[in-house]
Amino acid sequence: EADIYQTPRYLVIGTGKKITLECSQTMGHDKMYWYQQDPGMELHLIHYSYGVNSTEKGDLSSESTVSRIRTEHFPLTLESARPSHTSQYLCASSARDRDNQPQHFGDGTRLSIL
Amino acid sequence: GENVEQHPSTLSVQEGDSAVIKCTYSDSASNYFPWYKQELGKGPQLIIDIRSNVGEKKDQRIAVTLNKTAKHFSLHITETQPEDSAVYFCAASRSGGYQKVTFGIGTKLQVIP
Repeated sequence: EADIYQTPRYLVIGTGKKITLECSQTMGHDKMYWYQQDPGMELHLIHYSYGVNSTEKGDLSSESTVSRIRTEHFPLTLESARPSHTSQYLCASSARDRDNQPQHFGDGTRLSIL
Repeated sequence: GENVEQHPSTLSVQEGDSAVIKCTYSDSASNYFPWYKQELGKGPQLIIDIRSNVGEKKDQRIAVTLNKTAKHFSLHITETQPEDSAVYFCAASRSGGYQKVTFGIGTKLQVIP
């Protein structure tokens, strides 16, 4: 049962368009993440957030940007989409705790740039 | 930084047989090791995890073992079923600060009926 939601699930759009991928979670988690993944392949962290007004770049360089104005919402934006941005984007969240907590993933947005 | 190696990258087993996926990590400070299952068209879902103060953990047909000295941990699935077919990811992280999670490259498991 999903407590983290991503929209849209699929998006096919032309080069040069501005795109926003939505991610919302209802678990009150402080930490949120964006990963880029070719289907069934390795996960690459592109952005993360500790909490409201906190955003950091991940390991994989990305032309996308993120914002965290509300705890439950962590949208990812591409200002000008290119074919190289074609991929699957996964959002995740986890609770802030002294000990590590598991990440909860959404079902992803599959993005195709023509 | 942490480096997690996972193998095999693909694994085919007959229904009812056991499957074993192995991971090694490099950072001796890592103390949390989750395993995720990703089905087609879905995001990864946690199936089991283990912390460094425990050597083994079991949940029905799934078990994970951890060898801190050798810095490796393994996922064991017994009595495999077709619905076990998926991609499995191991991961490692340490407490404190950002608690960055490092994932393995994934293992595609196919259970043949």
